[in-house]
Amino acid sequence: GDSVTQMEGPVTLSEEAFLTINCTYTATGYPSLFWYVQYPGEGLQLLLKATKADDKGSNKGFEATYRKETTSFHLEKGSVQVSDSAVYFCALNTGNQFYFGTGTSLTVIP
Amino acid sequence: GAGVSQTPSNKVTEKGKYVELRCDPISGHTALYWYRQSLGQGPEFLIYFQGTGAADDSGLPNDRFFAVRPEGSVSTLKIQRTERGDSAVYLCASSLSGTGGGETQYFGPGTRLLVL
Repeated sequence: GDSVTQMEGPVTLSEEAFLTINCTYTATGYPSLFWYVQYPGEGLQLLLKATKADDKGSNKGFEATYRKETTSFHLEKGSVQVSDSAVYFCALNTGNQFYFGTGTSLTVIP
Repeated sequence: GAGVSQTPSNKVTEKGKYVELRCDPISGHTALYWYRQSLGQGPEFLIYFQGTGAADDSGLPNDRFFAVRPEGSVSTLKIQRTERGDSAVYLCASSLSGTGGGETQYFGPGTRLLVL
């Protein structure tokens, strides 16, 4: 069945470090891919998305490129801030269903 | 405008009791989803409504779980004969049309259910 596998955490980085959170997927057909973020004490919110192969989603300095050949959608940011500390979820959408990864906790220290 | 709201924010109940969890989607959104999120896991799909009808209930774990959306807006997730394993955060999300293709879902803050 369709599924998402994302890098396990927790991840701890110093401010201004480079961030990569890996996400790979298994899907029949052509899914849309998402990254959602959950800040402490808040609900899930969309960070970025890509709906077809080679699309790049970007928001708040984060980027992810939909790679069909490697079935991946890795999240990157060139310089993280303390305010980026949160849990990040990779997700895919096929038809009416959404499948989420287990989440990666990121802590950025000053 | 107002986002997705869920009530109650926390619910503590005893094993065997019945509970109802409510979701108020964003006004005008025809699609509504329920998810369950256990500790350390991502959201797990339960059921999807398109308007008043349950278009996909394949994620409901068993017949103790049921959900309704009688007027196409507010939805209630109902759990009968609760078990300790039902303890989780129950999330509701809505989207404009639910036609897939990468449409954004907007999540509520969740209801944290604890079954003692």
